[in-house]
Amino acid sequence: DTAVSQTPKYLVTQMGNDKSIKCEQNLGHDTMYWYKQDSKKFLKIMFSYNNKELIINETVPNRFSPKSPDKAHLNLHINSLELGDSAVYFCASSLRGTGVNYGYTFGSGTRLTVV
Amino acid sequence: DAKTTQPPSMDCAEGRAANLPCNHSTISGNEYVYWYRQIHSQGPQYIIHGLKNNETNEMASLIITEDRKSSTLILPHATLRDTAVYYCIVRLSSGNTPLVFGKGTRLSVIA
Repeated sequence: DTAVSQTPKYLVTQMGNDKSIKCEQNLGHDTMYWYKQDSKKFLKIMFSYNNKELIINETVPNRFSPKSPDKAHLNLHINSLELGDSAVYFCASSLRGTGVNYGYTFGSGTRLTVV
Repeated sequence: DAKTTQPPSMDCAEGRAANLPCNHSTISGNEYVYWYRQIHSQGPQYIIHGLKNNETNEMASLIITEDRKSSTLILPHATLRDTAVYYCIVRLSSGNTPLVFGKGTRLSVIA
């Protein structure tokens, strides 16, 4: 199936640990994103990569480090996890093409719980 | 910050049309209106977008006022599966501007 897939779907970990979330899209899109949805259900952009190049880096602690090995993958590594990092993280992709912004396709989310 | 204003919640009877309003009085000439929805525990789903003409696809219709300061998303025959949070987003047609989500409207379709 063509989609944006994230792994794992659920992640429970202790404070201070380091963890990674992986995202892959097979839609042929050239731009990928990470969004965070907190307990109040606000969706906030964290990062965006276009053809492996970081183009958006919102005010996010530097414990969060995105990595894009190719334009089909965008992983999120989080160091020294804190309780406040508990949230649902969504990966998304889109096709910027010749500059026109098309719709985003979102993954199903990774629910991170830090205990 | 989101550039749109939406009612926090709405109800709609199953089988009836759901009309979801959105105000975007500060929209600029090169900004599109996008609609997404998020069904509980799922990722947001693209519905439709438009610039100034009315648009229709298999999911919904988008009606944009002539002055472009407001729009309405219409789900012609709402079903229980349409219960979700609906987001109206204003965004430039090109460039690096990402989708910025506001609080949206929680639509409850009632049997």
